Parts: sequence; C-alpha cells; structure tokens
Amino acid sequence: SQQGEEDPQALSIQEGENATMNCSYKTSINNLQWYRQNSGRGLVHLILIRSNEREKHSGRLRVTLDTSKKSSSLLITASRAADTASYFCATAGGHRGYALNFGKGTSLLVTP
Amino acid sequence: EAGVTQSPTHLIKTRGQQATLRCSPISGHTSVYWYQQALGLGLQFLLWYDEGEERNRGNFPPRFSGRQFPNYSSELNVNALELEDSALYLCASSRWTGEPETQYFGPGTRLLVL
Repeated sequence: SQQGEEDPQALSIQEGENATMNCSYKTSINNLQWYRQNSGRGLVHLILIRSNEREKHSGRLRVTLDTSKKSSSLLITASRAADTASYFCATAGGHRGYALNFGKGTSLLVTP
Repeated sequence: EAGVTQSPTHLIKTRGQQATLRCSPISGHTSVYWYQQALGLGLQFLLWYDEGEERNRGNFPPRFSGRQFPNYSSELNVNALELEDSALYLCASSRWTGEPETQYFGPGTRLLVL
C-alpha cells in the first residue's frame, strides 16, 4: 500500500515559475526522500530530510517537513524545461524499516 | 564512482517462464533493495538484502525471490510469470549506518510478459 500521497497529481507551469509539490504520509518516519523520474527511467535522488529537520535546501530545491501534520513540500524555484519529470516522495522508517514507501507522484510539465 | 547497474535493460518472457534480473550496487554499499513499478500501481517495495541476508519483503507472493552474493550484488528471480508481472523493476543500494539512508537507484529492467 502507498504511504505517501502527492498533491497535485499533475502540474503544468512555464519556465521561470516556481513549482510546489506536496506530500502527506500516515505513519511515523525516520526520514523522507524526494526523487525525480524522467520518462519511466531510473529514479534520481534529490534530497533527504530527517524527522528532526524542518527544512533543507539544495540548489534550486527547498524541502520542508512538518511531522506534526505528517506532510512535506518540495519547491523548485525558477523552473526549467529540463525539470519536466515525475516527482515522488518516499518515507523510510515505520513498519517497513529501511525500505522506502512511495507516493503516486506528481507529474510536472515545464513549458518554454 | 560508478552508480547502480542493472541487467538486462529489457526482458521479454512468456507466461509461466522464469525471469532473472541482476543488480550491482555502488561500491561500499551493502544494502540492496528491489522495487516494482507497474502501470497504475506505483512503486512497490519487493525485497531488501543486507550482508547476504533477506531483511524484509513487501506484499508479494513467494514466487518473487532473490539473493545477495558475497560481493553484495543481487539477483531477483520471478517464477511462474504472470501477465501482471510486466513492469519496470528497479534496484537501489545504500550504505549501512544503522539508520535508513539515501537509496541510489539503477536504470531498471523493463520486463514484459506475453
């Protein structure tokens, strides 16, 4: 069963705009990870945020984590066409231990 | 540093056959994970191996099995293939630190069952 639920399911923006994706989960976690997938290929790791952290940055990416609300958000600033991909949140910890529990993903389309 | 590698990239089998998928982790990583990404079902955890032992498995029937070798590479075997086994199979590896760590994924093996 899926742990995380991303919102929205699909997002279409223009280059230069910011993209925000949200993720909610149900059980306690050790960490939450965000991944990108291009056209059904392998997953690229973007960022890991631990349960005792509230915010992390990596380049144009900003991730927040609110464990009280069991939710996380991924912000991509100044989007580029190359950011077009599916984005997944995945939680680790809980009953699955070290295995990742993925959400269904947000499909992002960035148009020039 | 080489990333996670998987072979083959594509595999076509017929119903009832067996499929073997292979994965080589990043050097220094002892944990290997297998995930299935089937259309409409999302990414589902299959198996986790560390130090040669199966540590956890997802909600899949016993015909999904695997092993991890002394060099930490891993094999996923799917017996008695069914049409719904058609999917992208992803392997990931991570370090062992006593806590869940970043998992690095390979490019996947796309299995088609006819």
